[in-house]
Amino acid sequence: AQSVTQLGSHVSVSEGALVLLRCNYSSSVPPYLFWYVQYPNQGLQLLLKYTTGATLVKGINGFEAEFKKSETSFHLTKPSAHMSDAAEYFCAVSGGGGNKLTFGTGTQLKVEL
Amino acid sequence: GAVVSQHPSWVICKSGTSVKIECRSLDFQATTMFWYRQFPKKSLMLMATSNEGSKATYEQGVEKDKFLINHASLTLSTLTVTSAHPEDSSFYICSARTAGTGSYEQYFGPGTRLTVT
Repeated sequence: AQSVTQLGSHVSVSEGALVLLRCNYSSSVPPYLFWYVQYPNQGLQLLLKYTTGATLVKGINGFEAEFKKSETSFHLTKPSAHMSDAAEYFCAVSGGGGNKLTFGTGTQLKVEL
Repeated sequence: GAVVSQHPSWVICKSGTSVKIECRSLDFQATTMFWYRQFPKKSLMLMATSNEGSKATYEQGVEKDKFLINHASLTLSTLTVTSAHPEDSSFYICSARTAGTGSYEQYFGPGTRLTVT
């Protein structure tokens, strides 16, 4: 069984400020972890993923996330927010190797001037 | 690469009618496709998993007779909402995955907005 918890359904930051979106997971097997972004009325775009190896993963648009097994976390960060980052972000976990994804409830990121 | 399309992007139908949504992998062969439903301001709920040439596996609580899924080829899966009712109105998203070891990544379509009047 697997689950994902995203703390904070809404996060608001100023343009240029640090973005931190939190994700904690539960998995009975070594997890594969993903962050997706969704713009209004669109599908999901993969930002980054962790499968094995280096625990700090870099994705598109300047985002990165660190897999911390001891904390069962996979928080998403970006050093400097841009207006175009405003969107819905979903963390997801897969129980390794091709299993289905379980999504968190999403975090709406708002970027203010 | 790894583009998934959905058609139509939006559809309005009358209560009691059926509507078909197509999901295509444009530049790869998708041995497995997934269908999700997303309610406003909510997360994605997996409805079913379909493997090419075999019957779909539905998640608990999803009516298989209402949501018919066909995965007849390696590039096409369809979701038919039968006898649609207003409560079926939602955003439906498909994703596709390739075969082979390490094939963990799903590629998502742009979604289909269904409104039942």
